[in-house]
Amino acid sequence: LAKTTQPISMDSYEGQEVNITCSHNNIATNDYITWYQQFPSQGPRFIIQGYKTKVTNEVASLFIPADRKSSTLSLPRVSLSDTAVYYCLVGKGGSYIPTFGRGTSLIVHP
Amino acid sequence: DTAVSQTPKYLVTQMGNDKSIKCEQNLGHDTMYWYKQDSKKFLKIMFSYNNKELIINETVPNRFSPKSPDKAHLNLHINSLELGDSAVYFCASSQLAGTGRPDTQYFGPGTRLTVL
Repeated sequence: LAKTTQPISMDSYEGQEVNITCSHNNIATNDYITWYQQFPSQGPRFIIQGYKTKVTNEVASLFIPADRKSSTLSLPRVSLSDTAVYYCLVGKGGSYIPTFGRGTSLIVHP
Repeated sequence: DTAVSQTPKYLVTQMGNDKSIKCEQNLGHDTMYWYKQDSKKFLKIMFSYNNKELIINETVPNRFSPKSPDKAHLNLHINSLELGDSAVYFCASSQLAGTGRPDTQYFGPGTRLTVL
């Protein structure tokens, strides 16, 4: 299983862009990169998934370099409500054991 | 119209007791999971069931026994509760994407278990 490493915590301020990088040096050819967001006192929820280059949706963007050994979740102009834990997962469909780990705790300050 | 629901939301009990947490999903998914999240937010998978059949069991003590009466329900029974079992337990469900992509997991609100 590809192991992921991400910062334990980050701080930001309202209106700033936040980039959270996840390292996955032993990502396999068929693995995808998936990010989940967990608000306090709630279960995680899916936010974005990608395989290579760039993926964008209404919540975030995901940048994946050509070697795919890392990925960056980008949150544009964060607000207080973006305070959450963000988890990076790597894996493929089928016999996939979701490995969430500890995630990155993002705190957005006024 | 909650997609994945768990009961109870909070559970406070004494060491040595036996307790159960219930989970139901109305998404029509084939796969359900139990996760444990500790105080440091470390979220770890415990079990996974696909169509009522156990497919993942991640070295969880035998005191934890999942039971799936049908594919919409996955309950977690814990015997002889210990202090270290205190955590938030999340149920989740997913549907096999069939495209090579990992399934999207849909989580319940969690059950905070406190063992005294």
